[in-house]
Amino acid sequence: DAGVTQSPTHLIKTRGQHVTLRCSPISGHKSVSWYQQVLGQGPQFIFQYYEKEERGRGNFPDRFSARQFPNYSSELNVNALLLGDSALYLCASSFHGTDSSYEQYFGPGTRLTVT
Amino acid sequence: AQSVAQPEDQVNVAEGNPLTVKCTYSVSGNPYLFWYVQYPNRGLQFLLKYITGDNLVKGSYGFEAEFNKSQTSFHLKKPSALVSDSALYFCAVRRGLNTGFQKLVFGTGTRLLVSP
Repeated sequence: DAGVTQSPTHLIKTRGQHVTLRCSPISGHKSVSWYQQVLGQGPQFIFQYYEKEERGRGNFPDRFSARQFPNYSSELNVNALLLGDSALYLCASSFHGTDSSYEQYFGPGTRLTVT
Repeated sequence: AQSVAQPEDQVNVAEGNPLTVKCTYSVSGNPYLFWYVQYPNRGLQFLLKYITGDNLVKGSYGFEAEFNKSQTSFHLKKPSALVSDSALYFCAVRRGLNTGFQKLVFGTGTRLLVSP
């Protein structure tokens, strides 16, 4: 079975631009979460979506937004990019969206560089 | 608020020796605890979790972890290290409430270096 897939793998953007990152969960998984991992740190939670509804949001500005589609894939959008948005963006999927004991499975990430 | 501390930036061990990667946590109520491993230029790979029950949990690739409620610790262990175990290891916690909220709070990571 395919794992979590993310696209693109790498991305270089200029300050002030907008970016869209995409994620396809493991087949059968309905919950998708997004994390930001800055170099040298652990991942930081950005959003969780389940059944196309936002279930949780981390401490990120409104420039960050996301959505989940009927096929459970997801997009993360970041507007007005700042140099500090340079990071590895990780998508994670989980089988269950109403049971917090389930582990999340992570994709390979999208490496975003803002210049 | 939840938090995780991984006190060692790096752990060095010789191949064949036992390894321990330390993790302590802080959370209101019961914790759900997880260990993940990250290889260079890769995402995080799930190793094991503690939800309830036996304090010693076994996971992938021969790893195990011991939950200690009184010391609020969840140390990762392996009886005999392999060079291929060299990677970045993350401990993570979430509140043990069945609300469906799956936010994980991660530690800063511990780099494990296994020498031949």
